[in-house]
Amino acid sequence: EIVLTQSPGTLSLSPGERATLSCRASQSVSSTYLAWYQQKPGQAPRLLIYGASSRATGVPDRFSGSGSGTDFTLTISRLEPEDFAVYYCQQYGSSLTFGGGTKVEIK
Amino acid sequence: EVQLVQSGAEVKKPGATVKISCKFSGYTFTDSYIHWVQQAPGKGLVWMGVVDPEDGKTIYAESFQGRVTITADTSTDIAYMDLSSLRSEDRAVYYCAHSSSPGYYFYYMDVWGKGTTVTVSS
Repeated sequence: EIVLTQSPGTLSLSPGERATLSCRASQSVSSTYLAWYQQKPGQAPRLLIYGASSRATGVPDRFSGSGSGTDFTLTISRLEPEDFAVYYCQQYGSSLTFGGGTKVEIK
Repeated sequence: EVQLVQSGAEVKKPGATVKISCKFSGYTFTDSYIHWVQQAPGKGLVWMGVVDPEDGKTIYAESFQGRVTITADTSTDIAYMDLSSLRSEDRAVYYCAHSSSPGYYFYYMDVWGKGTTVTVSS
């Protein structure tokens, strides 16, 4: 099973700042089969990024994904108030697993 | 637009079985895959398994193998998840989610249900 480790666990930033979230896999994720989700309290997860770098429909372009192999990154270029949430990575190249999540909180 | 509507909250005793439904609409059910994901209070997402409604084939996560059964009824476009031998650790929100890539059971999930809360208490 591929284990995904997300860091940091919590990111404290102010609106307008840049957020960089990391997702590291225990083995290479084939064909960049890596997705990112956003989850707000009391809500279901929402797909942001798939294929490591493709934005899902309706996702603002301040969200971008990059990486390959075992190291992946989600970047939010300028945090908006609605971006404070928990973010999960997911790999689907070998079965399906989620990372433990990164909480982006207001500083 | 795909929509997934889940059944309401459940309260079960330890050892019981819970059955949660997920009503699918807005696309072709048999061209989709329906996943189930567990989220315990304050914890992360755990994938439980997936069903292909076209042929009923399922793949389960090892940690739920033997306790979970996922089915799909193509006459009603409803997917179901049964979790048996409930214990306190199964207290969680359970989500159904959609993916659609022919031949790929493991894929990203583009639409999610709102979740069903399951409480396990004696």
